[in-house]
Amino acid sequence: ESVLTQSPGTLSLSPGERATLSCRASQSVSSTYLGWYQQKAGQAPRLLISGASTRATGIPDRFSGSGSGTDFTLTISRLEPEDFAVYYCLHFIWKTFGQGTKVEIK
Amino acid sequence: EVQLVESGGGLVQPGGSLRLSCAGSGLIFNYNWMSWVRQAPGKGLEWVANIKQDGSDNHYVASVKGRFTISRDNAKNSLYLQMNGLRAEDTAVYYCAREATVGGSPAFDYWGQGILVTVSS
Repeated sequence: ESVLTQSPGTLSLSPGERATLSCRASQSVSSTYLGWYQQKAGQAPRLLISGASTRATGIPDRFSGSGSGTDFTLTISRLEPEDFAVYYCLHFIWKTFGQGTKVEIK
Repeated sequence: EVQLVESGGGLVQPGGSLRLSCAGSGLIFNYNWMSWVRQAPGKGLEWVANIKQDGSDNHYVASVKGRFTISRDNAKNSLYLQMNGLRAEDTAVYYCAREATVGGSPAFDYWGQGILVTVSS
């Protein structure tokens, strides 16, 4: 079974701090198909990162993606108030999302 | 400006049917595969179905196969999801989303605002 596991489930941080979110695949995958999405409360998801590391149009450079094989990371270098949201990774070929990481204000 | 607007949601009894629509504007609708993604209340995202540009190919998540049918009308810039045999576990916000190549990689680059489907007696 093709599964993406995100950790932690919830990350409690203060504005200005660094956030590190993990997405682990159940088997090695091509980074081409790994993306990250942000969802704020009551809103549709928004594409942040495609191909594991390429920021989508208009995404600030405080967001960065990295990783390969089974382990991928989304890093927010300095949290802004508008960054508190739920983040999902997605393997596009599997059409499988991770269960999400909520980044909340500490 | 690209817009995807869903409609057709609402309350339906178990076993009932509903047809969702997604109207696109500001994009060349027939250039891309299109998907439906859903989110049960308080839960994560689940991909439901997708359809090729010309409607000649489609795929479904196992839990909806045989009950849901995805279709499109490119002349009307519209995507549809016919949902039959609805179950309580189909209760969710349903999003339409465009599949595109972004920075050389596939992604869902545009999403509708979502429409709520509630299956309850």
